[in-house]
Formats: sequence, structure tokens, C-alpha cells
Amino acid sequence: GQSLEQPSEVTAVEGAIVQINCTYQTSGFYGLSWYQQHDGGAPTFLSYNALDGLEETGRFSSFLSRSDSYGYLLLQELQMKDSASYFCAVRLFSGAGSYQLTFGKGTKLSVIP
Amino acid sequence: NAGVTQTPKFQVLKTGQSMTLQCAQDMNHNSMYWYRQDPGMGLRLIYYSASEGTTDKGEVPNGYNVSRLNKREFSLRLESAAPSQTSVYFCASSEVMGSGNTIYFGEGSWLTVV
Repeated sequence: GQSLEQPSEVTAVEGAIVQINCTYQTSGFYGLSWYQQHDGGAPTFLSYNALDGLEETGRFSSFLSRSDSYGYLLLQELQMKDSASYFCAVRLFSGAGSYQLTFGKGTKLSVIP
Repeated sequence: NAGVTQTPKFQVLKTGQSMTLQCAQDMNHNSMYWYRQDPGMGLRLIYYSASEGTTDKGEVPNGYNVSRLNKREFSLRLESAAPSQTSVYFCASSEVMGSGNTIYFGEGSWLTVV
């Protein structure tokens, strides 16, 4: 079967750095994505890693190690507006040239003053 | 550009009633999806359409049917609603299914089955 594990909750202080880990056990893995969702809102795309290494987009960075089946999202210079749920998602090959995106259960990040 | 638009935003159904959730995207995307989100469960794929004219089951398809009406529209139908289908439903789309392209989500439809 497939599984993604990420912490359910994380609390961090405004201005600090926080890392949200994601480990996965899947077959047909093609890449790891991260999505942000504020309460009552729609998930929005943050980043995608298909290859090992670090991808940086402003204050957010995402890392992937395919050999360790592990990735993380790094948020720097935390702001109150970063309080949200963060989902890792794996892109899996599902046959006949199509792919599925399977989401983890999400990590609720609370940024405190 | 409106992106992904889904209706209705809120709906209360009685057990056994049927309804259709409508979704349309104006980004000329090929692939469309329906997810449901339950507390502590993340987003689970119900059905997807990799391209116009095709539909496939996702992780939790039981109790649902879909129609890819045209390239823009992808509807989700509950034929006989059950309380277990109380959830938030998200429609989404992406340019192509087989790449790292971003998936864009609609604002969600809150469905309660009593």
C-alpha cells in the first residue's frame, strides 16, 4: 500500500524557522509536492520536487531524498499569515500515461507571537 | 480568470437524496479531479479525468459518479446520499496529469447529509 507520514501539528514563533517532514512509502513515485491550506480555504501549490535536493522559492524551501523516501518543507522568517495546514503529496504513476496525486493528512502549523 | 469554480458552496441533503456538484475551469486544462476532505484525513481522490473523454476511479469512488461534460466541466454526482458522504468536496484541475504541473483547486463545497 501507500502511506505518507507527516506530523499532525507544529507550533513555532514568529520570525523563526520551522521544518515540516514528510516520509512516504509508495510504488511508482515520481515526485513530492507541498500545498498550503488556510482554514476554510482551498489548497494552494507551494513547491514540487522531482529530483533529490533543495528547491527554494522565497521564504519557502522544499527538499527531497528519493533514496530515503523523505522530504521536508522549510519555512523561514515565519509570519503570522503562515499559520495554516501544510500537505505533502506524492505524484504516483497510475498506468496508461496518467498520474495521481496522493495527499498526506496534513500538518497544522500555528505561528505564535 | 476565475480559475476553478464549483457550485454549490453549501448544501444540506437528506439521506437517500441525489445531487450533482458542478465544476468548471477556464484555464484550458486537460486534467480535472474531485477530492473530498474530512477532518484528520487529508485530501482523498474520488475520481479524475486525465483528459476530455476519459474518467477513472481514485482512492474512494464508491457512492459517486462523474461526468466529463467537455474540456471545461467535470461534475460529481451522489445518487443516494449517505451520512458518510458528509464532507468538503474540492474540484481541481491541472494542465497535464503526467508532469509536475500545479494542481489548482476550487474553493470547496460543504456538503452535509442528515
